Amino acid sequence: SQQGEEDPQALSIQEGENATMNCSYKTSINNLQWYRQNSGRGLVHLILIRSNEREKHSGRLRVTLDTSKKSSSLLITASRAADTASYFCATHSNSGYALNFGKGTSLLVTP
Amino acid sequence: GAGVSQTPSNKVTEKGKYVELRCDPISGHTALYWYRQSLGQGPEFLIYFQGTGAADDSGLPNDRFFAVRPEGSVSTLKIQRTERGDSAVYLCASSLSRLASTDTQYFGPGTRLTVL
Repeated sequence: SQQGEEDPQALSIQEGENATMNCSYKTSINNLQWYRQNSGRGLVHLILIRSNEREKHSGRLRVTLDTSKKSSSLLITASRAADTASYFCATHSNSGYALNFGKGTSLLVTP
Repeated sequence: GAGVSQTPSNKVTEKGKYVELRCDPISGHTALYWYRQSLGQGPEFLIYFQGTGAADDSGLPNDRFFAVRPEGSVSTLKIQRTERGDSAVYLCASSLSRLASTDTQYFGPGTRLTVL
């Protein structure tokens, strides 16, 4: 079963704009990760935020985590056409090693 | 190799046939995972290996699915008597250490299985 839910399911923006995707999850977590997937194939790890962290940055990516609301957001600043992909959040439970993924947000960045 | 590799990249088979999907993890990674991704969904966990042993196979949907990792490196996912509902992309991932709950998992490109 899917642990997380991303919102929105689909997002279309123009190059240069910021893209924000949200993720909600259901159970206690050890960490939360964001992955990117192009063309329905392999996933690329973007960023990991631990349960005791509130915000993390990596290049044009900014991730926030609110464990009280069981939610996270991924912000991509100054988007580029090459950012077009599906983005997934995934959680590790405290006792598990498998990642639990949401259904993803499909991002389209148009030139 | 530099990353996780999977073969074949695509597999088309007929209902009722047997298939094997191979995963070659990053060298030195002790943890290996198999996931399945259906169209429009996120990946769903199938099985986790720590070394040679299957530490958690709770995600395998039924006994037609089986996976091995005999030497603690390459893994093979085996599906018997395939059904059309098995059609999906099968993803393999590996991570470095025994601290699997905190490690980054690195994914391969996947095998797209189509059962006709």
